[in-house]
Amino acid sequence: GAVVSQHPSRVICKSGTSVKIECRSLDFQATTMFWYRQFPKKSLMLMATSNEGSKATYEQGVEKDKFLINHASLTLSTLTVTSAHPEDSSFYICSASPGVTEAFFGQGTRLTVV
Amino acid sequence: QKEVEQNSGPLSVPEGAIASLNCTYSDRGSQSFFWYRQYSGKSPELIMSIYSNGDKEDGRFTAQLNKASQYVSLLIRDSQPSDSATYLCAVSLYNFNKFYFGSGTKLNVKP
Repeated sequence: GAVVSQHPSRVICKSGTSVKIECRSLDFQATTMFWYRQFPKKSLMLMATSNEGSKATYEQGVEKDKFLINHASLTLSTLTVTSAHPEDSSFYICSASPGVTEAFFGQGTRLTVV
Repeated sequence: QKEVEQNSGPLSVPEGAIASLNCTYSDRGSQSFFWYRQYSGKSPELIMSIYSNGDKEDGRFTAQLNKASQYVSLLIRDSQPSDSATYLCAVSLYNFNKFYFGSGTKLNVKP
């Protein structure tokens, strides 16, 4: 299947700092990528849809100023968690589709805010 | 978020048995249905996809879809300990890329 690479896989940061997570489609172009968040033993919650060349579309209840999304090219989307707090600690996962029906996921990023 | 419901489990089955995982969804506009497997601390990986009513078989896995009842299931035959994971049901609406996930069912296959 198609490969989606996410980096970093694990990050620890201090409260108040910002963290950037990258999502790359390695062998296909993705005009749309998706960002999910997963709490322990919970399902994936769709946070936002990242659109190349335009603003991201956020799901209800997700703060767009808190979670900045940039889709700079057809193979790269970034999620920046700004002014991180301990409650932002979670597993963040991106996904992308090469234009067919299946979506492929990145490896995920475990964010811990201390 | 669209509602996708799964029994959280855990579902325990002996090795070699059939594991049956169920999922219901609320939006009748759902067009595509997927089962993902997720090991602890890892990202989900696609197991099966199904788009039309009926059964779809792939190796030891069979997905079943009933749109009238808004119900999709996954059967795992000859369950193996390596099948122990959380299985996530996902549905997609008119644009296939946007997925909504159930909370997952934890499966334990006992040797």
